[in-house]
Amino acid sequence: GEDVEQSLFLSVREGDSSVINCTYTDSSSTYLYWYKQEPGAGLQLLTYIFSNMDMKQDQRLTVLLNKKDKHLSLRIADTQTGDSAIYFCAERANDYKLSFGAGTTVTVRA
Amino acid sequence: GAGVSQSPSNKVTEKGKDVELRCDPISGHTALYWYRQRLGQGLEFLIYFQGNSAPDKSGLPSDRFSAERTGESVSTLTIQRTQQEDSAVYLCASSRTGTATEQFFGPGTRLTVL
Repeated sequence: GEDVEQSLFLSVREGDSSVINCTYTDSSSTYLYWYKQEPGAGLQLLTYIFSNMDMKQDQRLTVLLNKKDKHLSLRIADTQTGDSAIYFCAERANDYKLSFGAGTTVTVRA
Repeated sequence: GAGVSQSPSNKVTEKGKDVELRCDPISGHTALYWYRQRLGQGLEFLIYFQGNSAPDKSGLPSDRFSAERTGESVSTLTIQRTQQEDSAVYLCASSRTGTATEQFFGPGTRLTVL
């Protein structure tokens, strides 16, 4: 986990946009992922981006990748109470092993 | 179809006892992974199985940890002589192949060592 860093907490008002940031260290990463973990549940893959892309949009989710700075962000538009969860950034450097950040706890307030 | 399942969902044990955790991957998935998630931390890779190839055990923290997989089905993670620092959520994941983009995670087993 020490190769992937994220801020630990984010509080956002319902209806606003959330932006979760992540930095990674392995320049050979092929894929970068965002997972969501709700209380008592396993990890759910939200989205991923291939390392040769700059941006990926999927409904309310926008992923931005700055490969030069090794910076990844996840923007959630129109944040809802159901978006409250822990969000994990992960990088995949070799064929199968994922390295995860410590997770960002997102709290959506009314 | 059914997702990855793990049992038990919770396990409380006394220090020094052995525990066995079970993972049932998605049917047809040849790759299986075990991760450990300590409180407030990200997931640590433990071990990877791919078909009949030798497993990648590079993430196992000590020789008290071992894992087996029968063919391309069930896997068990065994922790011998448990210590308090073994307390964590143990997550299993599977993927269609070792190079598949997505790993599908189970709900995890929460292990508490008293």
